[in-house]
Formats: sequence, structure tokens, C-alpha cells
Amino acid sequence: AQSVTQPDIHITVSEGASLELRCNYSYGATPYLFWYVQSPGQGLQLLLKYFSGDTLVQGIKGFEAEFKRSQSSFNLRKPSVHWSDAAEYFCAVGFSGTYKYIFGTGTRLKVLA
Amino acid sequence: DSGVTQTPKHLITATGQRVTLRCSPRSGDLSVYWYQQSLDQGLQFLIQYYNGEERAKGNILERFSAQQFPDLHSELNLSSLELGDSALYFCASSGQVGGELFFGEGSRLTVL
Repeated sequence: AQSVTQPDIHITVSEGASLELRCNYSYGATPYLFWYVQSPGQGLQLLLKYFSGDTLVQGIKGFEAEFKRSQSSFNLRKPSVHWSDAAEYFCAVGFSGTYKYIFGTGTRLKVLA
Repeated sequence: DSGVTQTPKHLITATGQRVTLRCSPRSGDLSVYWYQQSLDQGLQFLIQYYNGEERAKGNILERFSAQQFPDLHSELNLSSLELGDSALYFCASSGQVGGELFFGEGSRLTVL
């Protein structure tokens, strides 16, 4: 069955520290991969996406993600976290030729000053 | 600004009542999605429409219904409301198969 797993429900990091949020998917082929961010009281905003090509994808706000086919993973990274990055992050998977999407359960990021 | 407009932003109503949430997708997007986000259940996919036709159904209750009109706006109707229906309801639109979703800011429903 198709699924998306974000194993970390909550993550706390200090401002200036590096960040990695994990995302694993289960699907027979290579899906389209997305990371969204939701600030409190806001809608979801796209951070970055992977469709094909270079497996290291750059996004907005200094985020990047790396697609690893062998691990069925699409982890989100940022070298230095800012207090404004505190939010909830969702990994999502889209499927070629369809309008179907599956979202992970989200990872809530807390940033310590 | 994602280009997706949702109204109302906030809604407070009583149990047993009926409400309608409205969504205008980004200009040109044919596909509209509805999601429910609550504290205990995360982001739940409800239903998807493409150019007026229902294409996919998720965890949508029978008390809920939706439609997409010829001008592509969509409405989500919630009836016989229960306390547990209190949540943030998001609409998203997409313009291409497998492309990114553009989310509205949501409609926060509180059922008292």
C-alpha cells in the first residue's frame, strides 16, 4: 500500500543548529515528492518539490531535500535554523498520471533561542 | 498569497446545524481538494473534484458533501454538526497532474 511516514512527531533544535526532518514513502515507482510548511494559523506553503533529475533539490527559505531511491526517503535539511522556522512540516507524495496525493502526519519543529 | 481563496475564515455554530464552506481555486486550476485538519487526526483528505466531477473520496463522512461548480469554485457542506467536526478545513487546487498543491488559508469551524 502507498504510504508516507514522518517518524518524528516533534523535533526541538537550538537556533543556529542544523536540521534534518525525515520522510519515507512506500510506493512501487518513483513518486513526485513535496515538502510543505505550515506556520501557526496559516495554510500549507510549498517549500520544495522533486519530480525527476538532480536528487538534491533546493527550496525556499534555505531548505533543501535529497531524494534517495534506495532508501525511499526524501529528507528535508537546513544548515542553520532560524527562530522563524518554528512550524509544522509535512512531507507529501504525488503519483504520476494521477491527481492523488498522500501526506505524512507532520513534524512539529520547535526552535530554542 | 497562494491564489486560493476560502470563506469564511472563521465560523462558530451549534451542534446539529449546517454550514457551507466555499473555495475559489487559483485561476485556471481545474482540480480542487478538501482537507480536514484537527489536533488529534492531522491532515485528512476528504474529497477531490476535477472540472466539476468528483474524482476521489477520502475519509469524508456521509453528513458531509461537496461539489464543484461550472466556474470551478467549490463548496463543502457540513450538516448535523457534532462537536468533533470542529477543525480547520483546507481547500487546495492544482493545475497539473502530479503537480504541487496550492492551499488556501483555511476555514476554522468551531462547533459548540
